[in-house]
Amino acid sequence: NAGVMQNPRHLVRRRGQEARLRCSPMKGHSHVYWYRQLPEEGLKFMVYLQKENIIDESGMPKERFSAEFPKEGPSILRIQQVVRGDSAAYFCASSPVQGATTDTQYFGPGTRLTVL
Amino acid sequence: GQNIDQPTEMTATEGAIVQINCTYQTSGFNGLFWYQQHAGEAPTFLSYNVLDGLEEKGRFSSFLSRSKGYSYLLLKELQMKDSASYLCAVLGAAGNKLTFGGGTRVLVKP
Repeated sequence: NAGVMQNPRHLVRRRGQEARLRCSPMKGHSHVYWYRQLPEEGLKFMVYLQKENIIDESGMPKERFSAEFPKEGPSILRIQQVVRGDSAAYFCASSPVQGATTDTQYFGPGTRLTVL
Repeated sequence: GQNIDQPTEMTATEGAIVQINCTYQTSGFNGLFWYQQHAGEAPTFLSYNVLDGLEEKGRFSSFLSRSKGYSYLLLKELQMKDSASYLCAVLGAAGNKLTFGGGTRVLVKP
């Protein structure tokens, strides 16, 4: 059973460009979460999605950031007009279809975004 | 609001025991998780506590006291490969959002 997959693993963008980060959950998981980890800091929740629905986006910056989890294909975290402060590791996690609040979240390897 | 505190760094000797404490103040509680994260890698699940008491899993044990807002992760018979960051995370009452502490970097020396 493949784990959570994220790509790309490393992404370099210049200020003002767009960054697209992809996450494929574990097989059988339909709940996806995105977290951001700034250098030397803990993980911070960004958004929780189920297929075609955003359930909780309380951790998403109000501007430039968006997320989706379409019926088919991976979840996408999109950052428009990137700035240097967006440089971080972005982790995706997934949990099983049952969706009980205590289901363990399993993390992908992360995408390390560097903004020049 | 949510506030989770754990020490920044700890050093221990190979073969020894280390206890990583975590205190939390949260508006809701649906359990506490411990994850291990090696540098540049994904956090990997270690343990989950929702009831008071000790959960033992091989060399790793985790304890929870809900009334005190306190947990610890105990690592026994330390090995060099245990050098990593250990993340304490609380699952809040609303939804499935995990709130993480800053992580404790454990360095195991020979």
